[in-house]
Amino acid sequence: EAGVAQSPRYKIIEKRQSVAFWCNPISGHATLYWYQQILGQGPKLLIQFQNNGVVDDSQLPKDRFSAERLKGVDSTLKIQPAKLEDSAVYLCASSLGDRGFNTEAFFGQGTRLTVV
Amino acid sequence: QKEVEQDPGPLSVPEGAIVSLNCTYSNSAFQYFMWYRQYSRKGPELLMYTYSSGNKEDGRFTAQVDKSSKYISLFIRDSQPSDSATYLCAMRLQTGANNLFFGTGTRLTVIP
Repeated sequence: EAGVAQSPRYKIIEKRQSVAFWCNPISGHATLYWYQQILGQGPKLLIQFQNNGVVDDSQLPKDRFSAERLKGVDSTLKIQPAKLEDSAVYLCASSLGDRGFNTEAFFGQGTRLTVV
Repeated sequence: QKEVEQDPGPLSVPEGAIVSLNCTYSNSAFQYFMWYRQYSRKGPELLMYTYSSGNKEDGRFTAQVDKSSKYISLFIRDSQPSDSATYLCAMRLQTGANNLFFGTGTRLTVIP
């Protein structure tokens, strides 16, 4: 079974530039998550999709971050404009559903963003 | 106070040792408890997934949940150099959005 695919693996941008990350979840997984993991910290949820609808985006800095999941499959996360404090690993995860043990989340390898 | 507290380590043990990793939490509504292993420059990988209090064993790994003390543990028996990684505890509520609340992770090194 193919895992969660993310691209790019690494990205270096200057502050105030924009950047986009792409995620392809495991086939058949209805729930997709974007997490931000700052060095030395645990992942923090940015946004959760159930199919192509947003379930939770309470911790997404909406003035600069946006995400979409067209057709309930692939997803993109965008930052515009980037700040130095956005330097982190952005992890995409997916799960079969949103109830009980169907919520077991499988993570991609992440995109490491450095803002200079 | 953070919702989930975890000692960041680092923790170094000799090969074959028993490793104990722990997390405490403040929200008594957490019902699902997980341990993830994260190798350097990789995404977290689920190791153990338990519901409510009790023990769960899988090979060399044992997860314990004590809801009365708001305390969870992961034990690794006969530790191997390949166990060297960061271990993250995570937990979520029974209902509502499935946001996982993570600890900061404990970095473990098993020395051959």
